[in-house]
Amino acid sequence: NAGVTQTPKFQVLKTGQSMTLQCAQDMNHNSMYWYRQDPGMGLRLIYYSASEGTTDKGEVPNGYNVSRLNKREFSLRLESAAPSQTSVYFCASKGGFTGEAFFGQGTRLTVV
Amino acid sequence: DAKTTQPNSMESNEEEPVHLPCNHSTISGTDYIHWYRQLPSQGPEYVIHGLTSNVNNRMASLAIAEDRKSSTLILHRATLRDAAVYYCILRGGLANFGNEKLTFGTGTRLTIIP
Repeated sequence: NAGVTQTPKFQVLKTGQSMTLQCAQDMNHNSMYWYRQDPGMGLRLIYYSASEGTTDKGEVPNGYNVSRLNKREFSLRLESAAPSQTSVYFCASKGGFTGEAFFGQGTRLTVV
Repeated sequence: DAKTTQPNSMESNEEEPVHLPCNHSTISGTDYIHWYRQLPSQGPEYVIHGLTSNVNNRMASLAIAEDRKSSTLILHRATLRDAAVYYCILRGGLANFGNEKLTFGTGTRLTIIP
């Protein structure tokens, strides 16, 4: 099983450029999540989706949009990238209310 | 969601047991205690979870206080590979049923000394 797959693994953007981070899971999980992690810091929740067709804001949603395209895929879009969005982004999925979450390997994004 | 409190960092010697504490004084009766860890340059991974009774798996043991206001993750024989950030979070609870929001604190950074 691939689990949770994120693309790309690395990306450099110029300030003001846009891009979409892709995430797909093959575990038939209902819930999916996007986090960011700044150097030496903990994970901060950006957006999450409890099921196909629903999305909710997390702790730090400003500057981001998300789409739950179908049950497998949950994308994160930066419309106008800013240097403050330089971070490592993790996608996760979870099955069941108290089930364990599975994380992707992360996307390292640098905005210059 | 009920909050958890963990020490920012801990050190332990290789091949010795490690006890990682977590306080959750406002835990509700139906909250599960979950532990995750994040190895360097990787995404977090699930370690263990429990409700009331102590739990063991191939990675670790979870000891839950009788009043459930605290818990301890036990690594029985630490190796260098166990150096990671360990997160203690609470999941579940009837008041939160259907709320799929999943947040992590800052965790405990565990350093293993060779």
